[in-house]
Amino acid sequence: DAKTTQPPSMDCAEGRAANLPCNHSTISGNEYVYWYRQIHSQGPQYIIHGLKNNETNEMASLIITEDRKSSTLILPHATLRDTAVYYCIVRALTGGFKTIFGAGTRLFVKA
Amino acid sequence: SQTIHQWPATLVQPVGSPLSLECTVEGTSNPNLYWYRQAAGRGLQLLFYSVGIGQISSEVPQNLSASRPQDRQFILSSKKLLLSDSGFYLCAWSPPHSGELFFGEGSRLTVL
Repeated sequence: DAKTTQPPSMDCAEGRAANLPCNHSTISGNEYVYWYRQIHSQGPQYIIHGLKNNETNEMASLIITEDRKSSTLILPHATLRDTAVYYCIVRALTGGFKTIFGAGTRLFVKA
Repeated sequence: SQTIHQWPATLVQPVGSPLSLECTVEGTSNPNLYWYRQAAGRGLQLLFYSVGIGQISSEVPQNLSASRPQDRQFILSSKKLLLSDSGFYLCAWSPPHSGELFFGEGSRLTVL
């Protein structure tokens, strides 16, 4: 079973920041937070991951709360091509390799 | 660089027929391998994962099976397909000690 909770859908205006929340209140100390997105009819694409510090790459920023029970994926300037389903996942790097996807958040970027 | 390929991309099969989907990874060794299924309008369901040759873990009891005959080859099979097996099947790999998954292009199966 997925160990994360995300809103089923969100809207965002093109050019504005998209802030996608994720709740992972039962996260363990050795589990990382990963974000993927899936554009229609394609396989999911890795976006970013982090353990406890905030992370940024060319695609997005990841903000993890100090207690690590929730996180937010930020797309700084959303475009129409960012319309997709966004998945938040928690998993450890050792001791098990299952990666369970939840239902994700369907982000609609509108012109 | 690493690449992942799966085939066929699309197939239409009658109920009761066998199935074989193949996935290969290039440019890496000892990857973790995964099979997921996505029914229309639904999320990703983990079917099988493998951490090494001949080591398969099944997540959902069903009429599907998986095999890993070589380090970088992962095969999904069925002896007799059901209507409920229709869906989008995705193969993925990750480095041995990384949680980052890389997905193939997917295989869309329609069972009639």
